[in-house]
Amino acid sequence: GNSVTQMEGPVTLSEEAFLTINCTYTATGYPSLFWYVQYPGEGLQLLLKATKADDKGSNKGFEATYRKETTSFHLEKGSVQVSDSAVYFCALTKNYGGSQGNLIFGKGTKLSVKP
Amino acid sequence: EPEVTQTPSHQVTQMGQEVILRCVPISNHLYFYWYRQILGQKVEFLVSFYNNEISEKSEIFDDQFSVERPDGSNFTLKIRSTKLEDSAMYFCASTPGQGAYGYTFGSGTRLTVV
Repeated sequence: GNSVTQMEGPVTLSEEAFLTINCTYTATGYPSLFWYVQYPGEGLQLLLKATKADDKGSNKGFEATYRKETTSFHLEKGSVQVSDSAVYFCALTKNYGGSQGNLIFGKGTKLSVKP
Repeated sequence: EPEVTQTPSHQVTQMGQEVILRCVPISNHLYFYWYRQILGQKVEFLVSFYNNEISEKSEIFDDQFSVERPDGSNFTLKIRSTKLEDSAMYFCASTPGQGAYGYTFGSGTRLTVV
C-alpha cells in the first residue's frame, strides 16, 4: 500500500543551522507530495508541494524536490529560525483519474530551534 | 485568505454521549474531509465527501461515525456513542476539486472523552 516514512525526531538545531528532514514514500503510479507544518497549538498548514518528478516546491525558505528515482521528498532550509520550531509532516496523495485522493501522512518530525 | 473554520475548538464529553463536530469549508471547494490525530501520533484519514455523499472512508470510520452537509455550508462529523479512544484532535479539510491543490485544514477540534 501507499505509505510515507519520515526521519524520527525530535530534531534540535541552533538558529541559522542547516535543516534536512528526510522523507521517503511508497506508492504506485505518480503521487503528489506535500509538506505540512503544525505550529504549537495550531492546525496543519500547507508548507509546500510538488506534483511531478523533479518539481521543486518552495516556501518561506524551505525547499523540497520530488525525486522519483529515490522516491524521496526531503525538506531543507539553509538557515533555520526559532520561529520554525514546529512539527513537520510529509504527505502524499494519489490522483485517481482526476479525483483528489486522501492524504497519507508520515508520523511527523518535531523540530526545535534554540537561539 | 479563505479559511476552513471549525467549532468548537475544544469539546469535553462523557463516554457514551453523542458529539457533533462542525466545520465550514471554503465556499467554492467541492471536496471535504475529516482527519484525526491522536495525541503524539500521526494524522489519520477518516472520510472524504463529494457531491453530497461519502467518496471514501477508512477502517476507523465505522458505524458510530457519520458525516453530513446539512445546509450547503456546514460539514459535520457525528460520533454516535463516544469511547475513550475517540479522544483526539479532529481536523476538517477541503480542496477545490480535481488535481493536487493541497488541502486547506481547519485549526481542529480537540475532543476529550472522559
